[in-house]
Amino acid sequence: DTEVTQTPKHLVMGMTNKKSLKCEQHMGHRAMYWYKQKAKKPPELMFVYSYEKLSINESVPSRFSPECPNSSLLNLHLHALQPEDSALYLCASSRNTGGGTEAFFGQGTRLTVV
Amino acid sequence: GESVGLHLPTLSVQEGDNSIINCAYSNSASDYFIWYKQESGKGPQFIIDIRSNMDKRQGQRVTVLLNKTVKHLSLQIAATQPGDSAVYFCAEIIGGTSYGKLTFGQGTILTVHP
Repeated sequence: DTEVTQTPKHLVMGMTNKKSLKCEQHMGHRAMYWYKQKAKKPPELMFVYSYEKLSINESVPSRFSPECPNSSLLNLHLHALQPEDSALYLCASSRNTGGGTEAFFGQGTRLTVV
Repeated sequence: GESVGLHLPTLSVQEGDNSIINCAYSNSASDYFIWYKQESGKGPQFIIDIRSNMDKRQGQRVTVLLNKTVKHLSLQIAATQPGDSAVYFCAEIIGGTSYGKLTFGQGTILTVHP
């Protein structure tokens, strides 16, 4: 199994809503990532978890709150988002955070904030 | 807001031709590089990687070349097929092997005409 599974595939939410994005992998990877991708732009790193601990936060606004309940799961909790937060949110995992370990990406969640 | 007039580089080739996609990086401390392919509506898919202590690596129909002197990376695709049409991103690990900061370049749109 070399899959990273993200749910939901599409999400529309209002600016006052609270929602969560979910990511799951069963490859035994100990590093998991959240990326944000706007149209026609490269993915931008948001958060890195290493061994279930947050190791990198790329100055992401607090309306995005990551959570890593266990080594297979990664969540991204969303609250009070803005329309400009509409984007494709990608989850990835790798064996560890070291160089030489490829990251596997999920298909993403297409988020629209209205 | 979005940058007006910012477009991804594009490359159009005929089926069967060889394609070369280029990428420049700026951080001489980068020690691991990956090429990803992203099809419309999907997450990035690993193609091939290379460590900074190598200058060439070959895969099936793909070759990555690394020139550290000029900080340049290229992806060569032999006998390009319509299924190769996608956006191609180079990505680098910055910060040595203790970090998970995989950073993407701007991307190139490859269009293969039958």
